[in-house]
Amino acid sequence: NAGVTQTPKFRILKIGQSMTLQCAQDMNHNYMYWYRQDPGMGLKLIYYSVGAGITDKGEVPNGYNVSRSTTEDFPLRLELAAPSQTSVYFCATLDGGGNYGYTFGSGTRLTVV
Amino acid sequence: AQSVAQPEDQVNVAEGNPLTVKCTYSVSGNPYLFWYVQYPNRGLQFLLKYITGDNLVKGSYGFEAEFNKSQTSFHLKKPSALVSDSALYFCAVTSLSGGYNKLIFGAGTRLAVHP
Repeated sequence: NAGVTQTPKFRILKIGQSMTLQCAQDMNHNYMYWYRQDPGMGLKLIYYSVGAGITDKGEVPNGYNVSRSTTEDFPLRLELAAPSQTSVYFCATLDGGGNYGYTFGSGTRLTVV
Repeated sequence: AQSVAQPEDQVNVAEGNPLTVKCTYSVSGNPYLFWYVQYPNRGLQFLLKYITGDNLVKGSYGFEAEFNKSQTSFHLKKPSALVSDSALYFCAVTSLSGGYNKLIFGAGTRLAVHP
């Protein structure tokens, strides 16, 4: 049981490049979330999804896009990378069954230069 | 809007002494509260949560937290600190009124346990 898998683990981008951070889960959880964590700081919610085909903005959505075509996958897209997007990105899931058991991926460390 | 405050950027404690990491929250409705720990260059590890029931919650590695509704607090405690407890600790909250179980995090408190 892999849980939540994030790829890649590390990436260096040049300003203006684009990339997609992948998040895949095998737990059939409806809720999925993307967070970013700046150095020494807490996690900020970027986007979230409550099921396939349904997404919404979190606290810091600017510069990002998401899609949720399947229950398993919730990719995060950066279209025009900026240095301000240098951060560690975490994907999380929740089954919605009422026990509030969030599962976090191991993170993607992104540097924009 | 939901929010979490961790008033201390860093807490210093000697090994063997009790430790407390503070957390206060603001939500509409009943809060669901969490503590996570993060070691350097690692992901988040779940410590404990309060959903309902007993206000004193026991979690992993000897940690516990007490839910205080009147003070809107959920402080993390441990009776005897270990050097290996040194890490970054995050308090988080969600509620049904916040919508879609969005988990909101505090800024984190760095715990330093000295030998």
